[in-house]
Amino acid sequence: AQTVTQSQPEMSVQEAETVTLSCTYDTSESDYYLFWYKQPPSRQMILVIRQEAYKQQNATENRFSVNFQKAAKSFSLKISDSQLGDAAMYFCAYRGEYNFNKFYFGSGTKLNVKP
Amino acid sequence: AAGVIQSPRHLIKEKRETATLKCYPIPRHDTVYWYQQGPGQDPQFLISFYEKMQSDKGSIPDRFSAQQFSDYHSELNMSSLELGDSALYFCASSFRQGLSGELFFGEGSRLTVL
Repeated sequence: AQTVTQSQPEMSVQEAETVTLSCTYDTSESDYYLFWYKQPPSRQMILVIRQEAYKQQNATENRFSVNFQKAAKSFSLKISDSQLGDAAMYFCAYRGEYNFNKFYFGSGTKLNVKP
Repeated sequence: AAGVIQSPRHLIKEKRETATLKCYPIPRHDTVYWYQQGPGQDPQFLISFYEKMQSDKGSIPDRFSAQQFSDYHSELNMSSLELGDSALYFCASSFRQGLSGELFFGEGSRLTVL
């Protein structure tokens, strides 16, 4: 079965600095999707960034980028120029290419942004 | 753009009562998922529907049932409520044949069982 592991329960970053959130996963599939979702307190989860496993190029969305290492099964999220509004829970998630019903979440990393 | 709509947003029930949560997916989305998120927990998958048929089942208690209707909205019915059922219940939808693969989440329904 697929598993997603986020080893950092909580992290802090100074405003305007850069922080990297870690995520590893386990799968036997060759094609899949990886996601980072942001969840502010008591709010809905919002997609931050998406990576298709068949793409070698790392995804980038403005200040958010990923370091996707397929062989190592690692999918870290880098947030540059951190802003106060980035403070939230961040969940790494996995979805198989063929088993669309399965969407696996990591346990989350709480990001604190210090002014 | 239209998003996933959940109702009610907040619900307070007594133990052993029944609760029903509703989810209206994004138009044209054919798959609906239900997740339960306890305080400080990651979302736990309960059940999913594709084209009105149950497509997968997770850690959903036997006291819970769900269905997807002809207009693609879904309802999660919870009976004999227990204190441990207090949680944020998320609905998510997706278009199965879409290339993006992502789930779109609603804002959640917060259930409090007293």
